[in-house]
Order: sequence, then structure tokens, then C-alpha cells
Amino acid sequence: DAGVIQSPRHEVTEMGQEVTLRCKPISGHDYLFWYRQTMMRGLELLIYFNNNVPIDDSGMPEDRFSAKMPNASFSTLKIQPSEPRDSAVYFCASSLAGGPGEQFFGPGTRLTVL
Amino acid sequence: RKEVEQDPGPFNVPEGATVAFNCTYSNSASQSFFWYRQDCRKEPKLLMSVYSSGNEDGRFTAQLNRASQYISLLIRDSKLSDSATYLCVVDVQTGANNLFFGTGTRLTVIP
Repeated sequence: DAGVIQSPRHEVTEMGQEVTLRCKPISGHDYLFWYRQTMMRGLELLIYFNNNVPIDDSGMPEDRFSAKMPNASFSTLKIQPSEPRDSAVYFCASSLAGGPGEQFFGPGTRLTVL
Repeated sequence: RKEVEQDPGPFNVPEGATVAFNCTYSNSASQSFFWYRQDCRKEPKLLMSVYSSGNEDGRFTAQLNRASQYISLLIRDSKLSDSATYLCVVDVQTGANNLFFGTGTRLTVIP
């Protein structure tokens, strides 16, 4: 059974460009999470969805970031315009019903903004 | 103040050694606790949950001290394959599935 799928795996772009990251959660999982990981700040939750509905986006750094989940099998994280400080690894994770439980992470997208 | 704090290490230990990591959390209302493992340039994966009574999984033992608000992970008879970053994770809001991750403790097991 496939795990969480993310694309692209690597993205190099120039400051000011729009970046779109994609995620396909594990089939049947109700929750989807977007995280950002940097050396300085570790793993930070950006936003999470329950049954395609955004529940908590308080971790989204600013208006340049937006996330959508149009259906149960697809989500996007968009950065527009991108800045060098957005360079990080972005992980998508999914899990079953709410409450504490294992989150399954995708392989991540390594973003470099020049 | 961070929700979860860990010593970043690195911890460099010889094969066969016993090593322990601690992690502190700031929210006394936290309900659930976990250790995740992250290999270099890979995604985090659940290693084990941490129960109030403490729990063991093979060479790994996790303990929780609510009074002092810290969690520990003990690895006995360490193997080269244990080399990784270990992330302390706390669920501060029951039902919200909102996990806070520590920045991780890096372990290198040396032959």
C-alpha cells in the first residue's frame, strides 16, 4: 500500500516566483498536515485539515502561504511570492481519526529559493 | 518558550553502549507523548508512544515524568543502525491531533 506521496521532491526557484507543493495522503486517512522543517526551528506545523476542511492554520507564516484540500486524496501548499527564507523541507503527513495517534509522513519536498 | 525542548546533541556513542535522551515540555495539560525517529534526509517515523506507566519495546524504553514534565528515551545495546535524530513529540490538545515536535537529538553510534 502506498504511503503519503509528495511532489516535487526537490524544487529550486527564484525569489518572487510562485511555488506549489502537492500531497496525496494515505487512502482512508481523515487528517492531513503540512509541516516545515529547518535546522533552526525544527519541524513546525503549518496547517491541518480534517475531512478536507482546514481546522487550524495558525502556523501559516504569512499571507504568502495558502493551502487547499479540494478532495480527500489531494492537497496543495502554495507560496506566492516565494522568498529565500522559505527555503526548507516541507512535509505532508496524514493520520486516521482525531486524537493522539501516529502520523505518517511523506518523503518531503526540499525547497530552495534563490 | 518552546512547547518541547531537547538537547540537540550530537551524542556519539560506541556500539553496545546505553544512551538516554531527555525532553521537557511546557504545557502541563499535555496528554500524549511520542518519540519519532528521523534518518538523515528522510521523513520522521513513529518510534514509540510514551505511556504514563512507562513502556518498553525491545532495546528501547520510554518513560514519562508528569511532575517534572519530562520524557525520556533509553536505548540499550546500541547498534550502528540506531544512528538517527530522535524527535520528542507532545500532543498538547486532546482531540485536535496537534503535535508539537522537538528539534531532535542527533545520535551517532560508532563502530
